Amino acid sequence: QKEVEQNSGPLSVPEGAIASLNCTYSDRGSQSFFWYRQYSGKSPELIMSIYSNGDKEDGRFTAQLNKASQYVSLLIRDSQPSDSATYLCAVDPSGGYNKLIFGAGTRLAVHP
Amino acid sequence: KAGVTQTPRYLIKTRGQQVTLSCSPISGHRSVSWYQQTPGQGLQFLFEYFSETQRNKGNFPGRFSGRQFSNSRSEMNVSTLELGDSALYLCASSAGQGARIVRETQYFGPGTRLLVL
Repeated sequence: QKEVEQNSGPLSVPEGAIASLNCTYSDRGSQSFFWYRQYSGKSPELIMSIYSNGDKEDGRFTAQLNKASQYVSLLIRDSQPSDSATYLCAVDPSGGYNKLIFGAGTRLAVHP
Repeated sequence: KAGVTQTPRYLIKTRGQQVTLSCSPISGHRSVSWYQQTPGQGLQFLFEYFSETQRNKGNFPGRFSGRQFSNSRSEMNVSTLELGDSALYLCASSAGQGARIVRETQYFGPGTRLLVL
C-alpha cells in the first residue's frame, strides 16, 4: 500500500464548478498535511496547510482533514481555467523534520 | 523576500560522471530538504539538513549525498550517474526548528532538471 494515495485523474470540471480532490494516508502518526499545486514544467507551489481536524478555508480553497479516517481533501470553488494543474497531497510523518511524503498527484482540467 | 534559488537550472551529463547541485534557501530559513521528481516515481524525499546536520534521509543509494553550509546554503551530489538519475531535483526550505516542532511549511525552488545520457 502506498503511503499517500490520490486519484491520478484527470478530473475534468466546467468553469465555475467545485473541484473536489481527495487523498488518503497510511501513517496514523502524521500531523502535518499540505496541498501543493504544480503546473507543467514548474515546481510545486503551496496552496494550503492543515494540521487539525476540520475545515480550513483560504479564498476559493478549503482543505478538510479527518485524522480518524486518515483522509485529506481540497475543495476549489468557482474553478477557473487557470486552476488547471496537478494537485499534490503531501504528508509529513516525521514530526517536524521536514520529510514530506507525496501522493502521485491529481491532474485537474477546468474547461470553459 | 527572495524565494528559494537553485543552480544550475538545467544540466546534461553522461553516465558515470558526477554532478553537484546547489540550493540557497529563503533568507532566515535554516532547514533545507531535497526531493527527486520523475514521471514514474513522482516526488521522493532524498534528505533534509538543519544547522549543517543531516536529520533525515530517504531511501536512495549512497551515490546521493548532500551537505549544508553555515549560511544554510546546501549542495547535493550524485556520483557515478545512471540513466535513471534523470529527473527534476527540487530543493525546499523551511524556517527550521531545533526541536521536533510540527507545523513547518516547505517552500520549493524552481528545480534543477538533470538529463543523463
